[in-house]
Amino acid sequence: EVHLVESGGGLVKPGGSLRLSCAATGFSFSSYNMHWVRQAPGKGLEWISSISASSIYINYADSMKGRFTISRDNAQNSLFLEVESLRAEDTAVYFCGVVFGTTEIPDYWGQGTLVTVSS
Amino acid sequence: HSALTQPASVSGSPGQSITIACTGTSRDIGNYDYVSWFQQHPGKAPRLLIYGVNKRPSGVSSRFSGSKSGNTASLTISGLQAEDEADYHCSAYIGSRSLIFGGGTKVTVL
Repeated sequence: EVHLVESGGGLVKPGGSLRLSCAATGFSFSSYNMHWVRQAPGKGLEWISSISASSIYINYADSMKGRFTISRDNAQNSLFLEVESLRAEDTAVYFCGVVFGTTEIPDYWGQGTLVTVSS
Repeated sequence: HSALTQPASVSGSPGQSITIACTGTSRDIGNYDYVSWFQQHPGKAPRLLIYGVNKRPSGVSSRFSGSKSGNTASLTISGLQAEDEADYHCSAYIGSRSLIFGGGTKVTVL
């Protein structure tokens, strides 16, 4: 069974940084593209970034370029998202997703990890 | 790319059919047949309902169907049930392994 478990969220002061993790089990992690999206309280989903299976291709939403860094460790079946210079508007639940099909849109998402940016 | 446009809310009575529209542009929905729909209950992860405009993953009820015309994709829920009360999100591929989402639609079963 496919399982994606995000971790690393919490309460952070403005200007701080975080490293979010996504642990994958139940599938061949190294074979599939991965994505991060976020959801601010009461809002819709917002795409952040994607990374190809071998990390050759990395893409970011224009609004996320500069402060967000996606990476993966296929040996550890893990996906990461580093966020710097955190702002109040970065407060959200962050989800990781895996693309199994051919549409480039994730088929399966984890339960998410909450990041709260507040002083 | 701006976010896709969805109505904030749609409601219907049990047994009725409802349709949620997701409007984009010729650079996203109009350019690729890669549109997905997700259902999300409060505090839960998004669940894939439709991919590739109109395909259902195994395990998803046939009451959910998707379509596309021009720059607008649609999700129809037929035979509305109480358990369908949730938020629904559309997503489109915009090239270079990049995506955009709609703002989400809250479905209320009256």
